[in-house]
Amino acid sequence: NAGVTQTPKFRVLKTGQSMTLLCAQDMNHEYMYWYRQDPGMGLRLIHYSVGEGTTAKGEVPDGYNVSRLKKQNFLLGLESAAPSQTSVYFCASTDGAYYEQYFGPGTRLTVT
Amino acid sequence: RKEVEQDPGPFNVPEGATVAFNCTYSNSASQSFFWYRQDCRKEPKLLMSVYSSGNEDGRFTAQLNRASQYISLLIRDSKLSDSATYLCVVRSGSARQLTFGSGTQLTVLP
Repeated sequence: NAGVTQTPKFRVLKTGQSMTLLCAQDMNHEYMYWYRQDPGMGLRLIHYSVGEGTTAKGEVPDGYNVSRLKKQNFLLGLESAAPSQTSVYFCASTDGAYYEQYFGPGTRLTVT
Repeated sequence: RKEVEQDPGPFNVPEGATVAFNCTYSNSASQSFFWYRQDCRKEPKLLMSVYSSGNEDGRFTAQLNRASQYISLLIRDSKLSDSATYLCVVRSGSARQLTFGSGTQLTVLP
C-alpha cells in the first residue's frame, strides 16, 4: 500500500499564481485533512472532509479552497498565492474507528 | 493562549539518558490524547496514544492527568534514533479533528 501520497513534493510560485495540491489515499478512509506547518506554529488545520462530497473549514481556511469529488482524493487549491502561504503542506487521513491520522510526505511550497 | 502548549526545547541529552516532555491543553472537554513523532523534513507519525491509566510501550511511557490537563512523555535509555520532534496532540471535537502542539525538539548525543 502506498498509504497517503501528495503531489507535487516541491513548488515555487509567484505571487498571484494559482495551483492545486493533490492528496490521494488508498486506505479507504472516510476522513481527510489538509494542514500547513510553519516554524514555531505546529500543524494548523486548513480544511477537512468527513466523506466524499463534503468539505469543512478548519482553523486557517482563508485563501484556500478544497474539493473531495472522489473518496480517495482531496484537493487543496490556492487561487491567488501570497507570500504568507509559503509553508509545508501535509495531507492526512483517518478511518471511522481509530483516531490515528496517517500523513502524506508533504509539499514544500514557496511563494515569491 | 494556545490550545496545546509544549516546551519547544531543544533538549540535548546523552545516549542512555532519561528525558521527559510535558504538554498542557486548555480544553477540558478534550477526549483523546496522543504523542506523534516527526523526523526532520518528514511527516508526523503516531508514536503512542495516551490513556488515563498511563501506558507504556518499550522505553516510552505516557501519562495523562485530566484534572491538571497535563500530558507527559518519558523516554528511558535514549537512543540516537530517538532524535526527532515530539508533538503533543489532542482531539477535542467531532470529525476526528486533532490539535497539535508546536513540538519539542530532542537531540540525543553520542
